[in-house]
Amino acid sequence: EPEVTQTPSHQVTQMGQEVILRCVPISNHLYFYWYRQILGQKVEFLVSFYNNEISEKSEIFDDQFSVERPDGSNFTLKIRSTKLEDSAMYFCASSTRGGARSMNTEAFFGQGTRLTVV
Amino acid sequence: AQKITQTQPGMFVQEKEAVTLDCTYDTSDQSYGLFWYKQPSSGEMIFLIYQGSYDEQNATEGRYSLNFQKARKSANLVISASQLGDSAMYFCARTHLTSRAGGTSYGKLTFGQGTILTVHP
Repeated sequence: EPEVTQTPSHQVTQMGQEVILRCVPISNHLYFYWYRQILGQKVEFLVSFYNNEISEKSEIFDDQFSVERPDGSNFTLKIRSTKLEDSAMYFCASSTRGGARSMNTEAFFGQGTRLTVV
Repeated sequence: AQKITQTQPGMFVQEKEAVTLDCTYDTSDQSYGLFWYKQPSSGEMIFLIYQGSYDEQNATEGRYSLNFQKARKSANLVISASQLGDSAMYFCARTHLTSRAGGTSYGKLTFGQGTILTVHP
């Protein structure tokens, strides 16, 4: 069964360092997303990406964040200068254009990358 | 903001019994989708079930069913015959649906706060 793959599963970084979280979406999907979940809290939307550009972003997604689809298969989230409060689980997700019948079986989240900023 | 509300921070159920996890939502969209995800202690998000606002029948997936009451804006998850492995955090989520050439697409997901389900032997 196709799945969204994220690497690494865990990342520990020092405050102020740059990190790149990587995702390989499902191959025929067109829409890509990043979400984050601070420990013990709900999942929050960061950004959506379609047709090689950001389609929507949240208030959380400030100038420290950027996304890229460098090679047609990977979808990356970069945090330029990490802060302690960036520590969270980061989920990549993808979806495809589909009719009603195709939607109700799509489970489209990756397994997550746990980022710890120290 | 269009909110998703899960009013039960925690729920307990006896193994083999049914349990209902509540979810209400606030939306002005005509077309939207509702999801339930399970998040075990390992952290991954596991898709359980989806309901489209245009679906006339309630969605079912094995032991999971979604009690969709559109007028009340509720989308409660019913788990029948609970198993010990069902113990996890459960999130309700909503997305806006957009019709484009070639089909319909999701927007971003807005999540509720989650409900921790504990299944007792």
